Amino acid sequence: DTGVSQDPRHKITKRGQNVTFRCDPISEHNRLYWYRQTLGQGPEFLTYFQNEAQLEKSRLLSDRFSAERPKGSFSTLEIQRTEQGDSAMYLCASSLDWNNSPLHFGNGTRLTVT
Amino acid sequence: DQQVKQNSPSLSVQEGRISILNCDYTNSMFDYFLWYKKYPAEGPTFLISISSIKDKNEDGRFTVFLNKSAKHLSLHIVPSQPGDSAVYFCAASEINAGKSTFGDGTTLTVKP
Repeated sequence: DTGVSQDPRHKITKRGQNVTFRCDPISEHNRLYWYRQTLGQGPEFLTYFQNEAQLEKSRLLSDRFSAERPKGSFSTLEIQRTEQGDSAMYLCASSLDWNNSPLHFGNGTRLTVT
Repeated sequence: DQQVKQNSPSLSVQEGRISILNCDYTNSMFDYFLWYKKYPAEGPTFLISISSIKDKNEDGRFTVFLNKSAKHLSLHIVPSQPGDSAVYFCAASEINAGKSTFGDGTTLTVKP
């Protein structure tokens, strides 16, 4: 068990550019989650997958955000036309396939939009 | 509308004493509660959880208490150790829901 892996750890981009983050969950975990965290706040839910199916997406999530998990293993989160307000820590987590199973978080990708 | 609230941004205690971290929620549909601990530059790690059918769950030095009527839960750490210094997040989930809703965290500092 190597834990949840996220890449890159840091990303600096200019406003208007597209960025993509990758998450590799714990291998036996069927559920994968994306959260966003800004300074002084707790993780905010973005979306989650059960295997390759995207089961829920936050209604706060802009259309510029899209997530995929094509083969039910790793996932990507893409942000198009980045804005300064997108600057945050993007956290990926995985869990076993039952409700209330604790989340195992990666160390996050810190995005800075200049 | 923040559904999970941790009203104390920070808490400082002496090593060996008890740390009590509090959490309030507003959503009556929440039925499972979890606490996570976060060190700098790392993601949160799961600490302890409690189902709404219980009012107490204990794991070593950590105990979580749930008061459903007050929509309040607390995490007790006894005795507190310097290595417990971290940000603690309270989280809650609804029946049959996949996602958890997090509070904004309490930074605990345990002084030697």
